[in-house]
Amino acid sequence: EAGVTQFPSHSVIEKGQTVTLRCDPISGHDNLYWYRRVMGKEIKFLLHFVKESKQDESGMPNNRFLAERTGGTYSTLKVQPAELEDSGVYFCASSSGQFNEQFFGPGTRLTVL
Amino acid sequence: AQSVAQPEDQVNVAEGNPLTVKCTYSVSGNPYLFWYVQYPNRGLQFLLKYITGDNLVKGSYGFEAEFNKSQTSFHLKKPSALVSDSALYFCAVREDMNTGFQKLVFGTGTRLLVSP
Repeated sequence: EAGVTQFPSHSVIEKGQTVTLRCDPISGHDNLYWYRRVMGKEIKFLLHFVKESKQDESGMPNNRFLAERTGGTYSTLKVQPAELEDSGVYFCASSSGQFNEQFFGPGTRLTVL
Repeated sequence: AQSVAQPEDQVNVAEGNPLTVKCTYSVSGNPYLFWYVQYPNRGLQFLLKYITGDNLVKGSYGFEAEFNKSQTSFHLKKPSALVSDSALYFCAVREDMNTGFQKLVFGTGTRLLVSP
């Protein structure tokens, strides 16, 4: 069974540009999460989808970040316009139920210059 | 608010010796605790979790963790370290398994370095 996949693995953009990150969860997992780790700091929660609905978006830093999960399958996280402080590793995770552990993807390393 | 502390940025241990990676937590309700490991250029891998039951939890790759409610700790342990255990370890807590809110709160991570 394939794990959680993320694309791209790396992205380098200039301040003010737009970037879209994609996450494909494990097949059949209704729960999808986005997290972010800024250099050397803790991994922080961004938001949680249950199927196509946003269950919890309390961690989204501001309105420059837009997450979607159309059809309840893959998800995208768009940053527009990107700022320097958005640099970090963005992780996606999925789980099959609220009592089960979350399985993480390899992350997308975003660098904003 | 929930929080997790991993007081050591790095832990050094010789191969074959026991290892401990420390984690303390703060939650207002019942804690649900997790350990994840990140190998270089890889994603986070689940190691083990404590939800309820025995305070000693066994997980993948020979790791175990002990839940101590009075000390609000969930230290990760292994009786005999391997060089291949060298990686970045994250402790995480989730406050309540009975709500729809499932976010994990992570510590800053501890780098484990096992020398031959």
